[in-house]
Amino acid sequence: AQTVTQSQPEMSVQEAETVTLSCTYDTSESDYYLFWYKQPPSRQMILVIRQEAYKQQNATENRFSVNFQKAAKSFSLKISDSQLGDAAMYFCAYSKYSGTYKYIFGTGTRLKVLA
Amino acid sequence: DAMVIQNPRYQVTQFGKPVTLSCSQTLNHNVMYWYQQKSSQAPKLLFHYYDKDFNNEADTPDNFQSRRPNTSFCFLDIRSPGLGDAAMYLCATGAHLGGYTFGSGTRLTVV
Repeated sequence: AQTVTQSQPEMSVQEAETVTLSCTYDTSESDYYLFWYKQPPSRQMILVIRQEAYKQQNATENRFSVNFQKAAKSFSLKISDSQLGDAAMYFCAYSKYSGTYKYIFGTGTRLKVLA
Repeated sequence: DAMVIQNPRYQVTQFGKPVTLSCSQTLNHNVMYWYQQKSSQAPKLLFHYYDKDFNNEADTPDNFQSRRPNTSFCFLDIRSPGLGDAAMYLCATGAHLGGYTFGSGTRLTVV
């Protein structure tokens, strides 16, 4: 069975600095999707970035980028120029299409941004 | 704006008293999901609908049921809530390439 592991329960970063959140996963599949979601306190979970496993190029969305290492089954999120609004719970998720996209989530990393 | 709306945001129910959580979407997506998220844990899939087809996860307790009367609405029924069912319940719709749109969640407290 697939699993997703986020080994950092909590991280802190100084405003304007860069932080990297770690995620590893286990699967025997070759074609799948990986996601990072952000869940601010008392607010809905929103998609930050998505990576298709068949793509070698790392996904980038403005200040957010990933380091996708397929062989190592690693999918880390880098946040550059951190802002106070980045403070949230970040979840890594794995999905493979099998009629629908069922997610397997990691346990999350709480990111604190220090002014 | 197209979105996923969950009501209520906070729900308090008595131990053993049936409770219903609701979710609606304006995205017209075929698929709707219900996740349970307990404190400091990963969200866990309870079940999903593909159109009218109901798909239960193997380890979802029988205490949890769901209804989807039409494309827009989906309900989560907890027949006899226990203290262990206190959690955030997240509704989501699926999209192309798997990007979910989540609702804001309903936080359920059982007293």
